[in-house]
Amino acid sequence: DTGVSQNPRHKITKRGQNVTFRCDPISEHNRLYWYRQTLGQGPEFLTYFQNEAQLEKSRLLSDRFSAERPKGSFSTLEIQRTEQGDSAMYLCASSLAKAVEAFFGQGTRLTVV
Amino acid sequence: ILNVEQSPQSLHVQEGDSTNFTCSFPSSNFYALHWYRWETAKSPEALFVMTLNGDEKKKGRISATLNTKEGYSYLYIKGSQPEDSATYLCAFQTGANNLFFGTGTRLTVIP
Repeated sequence: DTGVSQNPRHKITKRGQNVTFRCDPISEHNRLYWYRQTLGQGPEFLTYFQNEAQLEKSRLLSDRFSAERPKGSFSTLEIQRTEQGDSAMYLCASSLAKAVEAFFGQGTRLTVV
Repeated sequence: ILNVEQSPQSLHVQEGDSTNFTCSFPSSNFYALHWYRWETAKSPEALFVMTLNGDEKKKGRISATLNTKEGYSYLYIKGSQPEDSATYLCAFQTGANNLFFGTGTRLTVIP
């Protein structure tokens, strides 16, 4: 499978715990995006990388959120001290630099109890 | 945050009916308009990417038009089938950067 892969698919965690999600983009894609989708809403932009550089971060990305793409390949999104409001689907997408089509993974659904 | 609006929010049609949805977006600083289909438990799948005013794209029974001057795009489905049931998302792209999504139109095709 050469598509975008996200792990885990589902995560249930207790409030206050830290969680980390992983995204493996399509191998030749330079750009990687993280989105969050809550019930009844479209995906909201969180951050994007071009290669290993994090070029843009949304105001939605509070201090508890951090994303990395250390070698310009896979990326991780960490949420520290999770809150119930963090419960959402976290989507990763990748695209070729300057191309217009983004390919999405199946997402990680986070539930904070 | 850019405002991208989709209507209707949800739609039920009978199998065989044709239908269409609307996506409204800012008419300034336009780079591209994307349509995605998102089926439950799957990844959002790109349907069309349109960049030029007046663009019309077609894939099978699905087609889309684009008006960048007035800031809207229509998605049409001809002869809806149950497998067309999904959420259809549009996304506005400014520059070559991130996508601003609408809230989607949830389509249910009743056999």
